[in-house]
Amino acid sequence: GQNIDQPTEMTATEGAIVQINCTYQTSGFNGLFWYQQHAGEAPTFLSYNVLDGLEEKGRFSSFLSRSKGYSYLLLKELQMKDSASYLCAVRRSSASKIIFGSGTRLSIRP
Amino acid sequence: DTAVSQTPKYLVTQMGNDKSIKCEQNLGHDTMYWYKQDSKKFLKIMFSYNNKELIINETVPNRFSPKSPDKAHLNLHINSLELGDSAVYFCASSHKSATSGGLYNEQFFGPGTRLTVL
Repeated sequence: GQNIDQPTEMTATEGAIVQINCTYQTSGFNGLFWYQQHAGEAPTFLSYNVLDGLEEKGRFSSFLSRSKGYSYLLLKELQMKDSASYLCAVRRSSASKIIFGSGTRLSIRP
Repeated sequence: DTAVSQTPKYLVTQMGNDKSIKCEQNLGHDTMYWYKQDSKKFLKIMFSYNNKELIINETVPNRFSPKSPDKAHLNLHINSLELGDSAVYFCASSHKSATSGGLYNEQFFGPGTRLTVL
């Protein structure tokens, strides 16, 4: 089976940096995704990691350690529009199925 | 030029009714999905089709029946609606799951259908 854990809520200040952690347990790991979901909207793709290390994309970076079953999403120079839920999702090698965590609701304060 | 579209956006209906939600994608993807997102915002996969063939069927009541007339469409029909079916239903699409050297299957989501069963 699979188990994905991430904090339920986080708060950060505009202009700062925040790190959202995700730990997972799954058989046949074949990639980890981060999605952003604003309230009332659809999830949108942010990043994908399948090898260990850091993937940087503008203000957002995602890190993966397969041996530790651990990933984080790093958001820099936070803006008010970054207030959203951030979903960690894991893909198993045996199927197209992606399993989502319950999401971390991030609130940005001025 | 909407990539993944769903209709209707909102659906309010009585318990016991039968309803359908339609989904279409114009991205040329060969895999489509239905997800259910409950009040706790937990996004759970229900079904997946690849080239009109069912490849994922999670533990979903058989009142839910997906239908894929072609690889650009995946509709969801729900019989005998129950209060617990109230949720937001998202359709998504992607390229086929990667084998070695293939594409990773980033999923593109539709805007969601908010179903309320009274």
